[in-house]
Amino acid sequence: AQKITQTQPGMFVQEKEAVTLDCTYDTSDQSYGLFWYKQPSSGEMIFLIYQGSYDEQNATEGRYSLNFQKARKSANLVISASQLGDSAMYFCAMREGPRNYGQNFVFGPGTRLSVLP
Amino acid sequence: GAVVSQHPSRVICKSGTSVKIECRSLDFQATTMFWYRQFPKQSLMLMATSNEGSKATYEQGVEKDKFLINHASLTLSTLTVTSAHPEDSSFYICSALPQGALQETQYFGPGTRLLVL
Repeated sequence: AQKITQTQPGMFVQEKEAVTLDCTYDTSDQSYGLFWYKQPSSGEMIFLIYQGSYDEQNATEGRYSLNFQKARKSANLVISASQLGDSAMYFCAMREGPRNYGQNFVFGPGTRLSVLP
Repeated sequence: GAVVSQHPSRVICKSGTSVKIECRSLDFQATTMFWYRQFPKQSLMLMATSNEGSKATYEQGVEKDKFLINHASLTLSTLTVTSAHPEDSSFYICSALPQGALQETQYFGPGTRLLVL
């Protein structure tokens, strides 16, 4: 079974508008972390935002916010005021278990976001 | 801070040759580094977890004799693709987990594009 599901293979958004990228996850652990990364065409993976399973507040980082709904096991990324430079692949990832050395991430299949001028 | 470099960024080699890829954490120490492979239009797949001073842990289906990993210091891990074949052509990305429990994310290198002719 897929641990991370991103149901939108591709998304379009008009410049300056907000967009939500969906992510649902599957884990039986009580302690876990959720991450979003951006991968532009150059290939580098850019860390955007993190949400811990015990964090009560939704994480925010500038124009990025994470809509964390624990009961639904969803961790959607919201990008406000989209910019042309936001066009990229976006990956949702999960670290199962508490913070520790050697914990690997599981990545979702990704969503390609295209920002239209 | 938290910069990870990879070298080379791009390599083309003949079938049957070996290729070494270096992953360095430039401004932090990393007890653990991860090696991922990404095929075109796909997500990142973890190949192995590299721990400084000990043997790497390989994911199921990854041949440890083909993908040799050495993590000789807290800032350097190497991946050697031995007797490379065209099907090994891919984008290889490393990441490093900073030493210390407060860090929440892996930091990724820029990736290495391998083309085996």
